[in-house]
Amino acid sequence: QQQVKQSPQSLIVQKGGISIINCAYENTAFDYFPWYQQFPGKGPALLIAIRPDVSEKKEGRFTISFNKSAKQFSLHIMDSQPGDSATYFCAASDGTGFQKLVFGTGTRLLVSP
Amino acid sequence: EAGVTQSPTHLIKTRGQQATLRCSPISGHTSVYWYQQALGLGLQFLLWYDEGEERNRGNFPPRFSGRQFPNYSSELNVNALELEDSALYLCASSVSGGFRNQPQHFGDGTRLSIL
Repeated sequence: QQQVKQSPQSLIVQKGGISIINCAYENTAFDYFPWYQQFPGKGPALLIAIRPDVSEKKEGRFTISFNKSAKQFSLHIMDSQPGDSATYFCAASDGTGFQKLVFGTGTRLLVSP
Repeated sequence: EAGVTQSPTHLIKTRGQQATLRCSPISGHTSVYWYQQALGLGLQFLLWYDEGEERNRGNFPPRFSGRQFPNYSSELNVNALELEDSALYLCASSVSGGFRNQPQHFGDGTRLSIL
């Protein structure tokens, strides 16, 4: 019940296209959902995060869509660029105060020029 | 503003040895988290320290331990190293949020290799 399932495992998108990565969870106590971007040799960098009181959050070209009833959330990268090529992780944490992030297995995105 | 810094960048040890990894949080952050990123296993939560106290622990054996110093920096100790401990160890920090999840910001990690 602590798992976060992420798909696809890898994704190839043409420059200018939309990249979509999906995550699903079971634990209804999860109330914080961040997305991280990781380049090779670097640590994960926080991209954007959402709490379940909103259904969508947008920051620049990055949008999180959240469906509480389906227990799913997704990351959309608009106008994808070669510099977006990285591994993306979704994560979730519950509201018990223990601050533990449960991560998805990651999606390797390649944006072709 | 300096981010989370970790040292060393790489660490090579042999089975049975002990490893010490260090982390300095972002200035103003009092919470430090440790995660293990092993090949094929993703990121797994290890430990959370806040205000010098261990607040939460992941599903790892007791030979994984750590502490947080008065300046909020932290170290992770791994005793009796095993081959499967080879991984990237990531430290993250955040402001202390009580019962509300706070954004965690990661360092670039320490690559621990066990020979």
